[in-house]
Amino acid sequence: GDSVTQMEGPVTLSEEAFLTINCTYTATGYPSLFWYVQYPGEGLQLLLKATKADDKGSNKGFEATYRKETTSFHLEKGSVQVSDSAVYFCALRWNYGQNFVFGPGTRLSVLP
Amino acid sequence: DAGVTQSPTHLIKTRGQQVTLRCSPKSGHDTVSWYQQALGQGPQFIFQYYEEEERQRGNFPDRFSGHQFPNYSSELNVNALLLGDSALYLCASSLGGQGGQPQHFGDGTRLSIL
Repeated sequence: GDSVTQMEGPVTLSEEAFLTINCTYTATGYPSLFWYVQYPGEGLQLLLKATKADDKGSNKGFEATYRKETTSFHLEKGSVQVSDSAVYFCALRWNYGQNFVFGPGTRLSVLP
Repeated sequence: DAGVTQSPTHLIKTRGQQVTLRCSPKSGHDTVSWYQQALGQGPQFIFQYYEEEERQRGNFPDRFSGHQFPNYSSELNVNALLLGDSALYLCASSLGGQGGQPQHFGDGTRLSIL
């Protein structure tokens, strides 16, 4: 079945460091891909998405490009802030349905 | 514009009991999905309701059931609670029966089983 794999955390960075969180998926075909963020005590917030190969999603300085040849959707940010500390989830979804398949999440801690 | 609201925020039950969780979708949304998020894991899809019917279901036992009301709000019921049911239960709403529409998540109900 469909699955999403993420790099294990926690990831600890200093403020203004470069961030990469790897995400790969297994699926037959080309689903839409998403990154969600979860702050402590809260639900999930959509960070960015891409619906087809080579699309780049971006929001709040975060970027991810849909790479079908490597079945990947790595999340990047050039300069992280303390406020970016959260758990990040990579997910896929098929256009004919609405349920997501989530990865296990990667906890990011940014130190001042 | 109210987002997705869930109640209660926290709940403590004992093994064997039954529990009902509630969700009000974002204004204008008619589709509700439920997810279970165990500690340290990603959310797992339980089921989705559209037009008051269960449209999709994940790999969860029949102890998990739901309902959607004419006003689109929804309930998740879990019978014969097990320790392993301890988790954050998330509700997500969206518009329409077609895929591709963005989903909005509530803050969840944290269920603890003693």
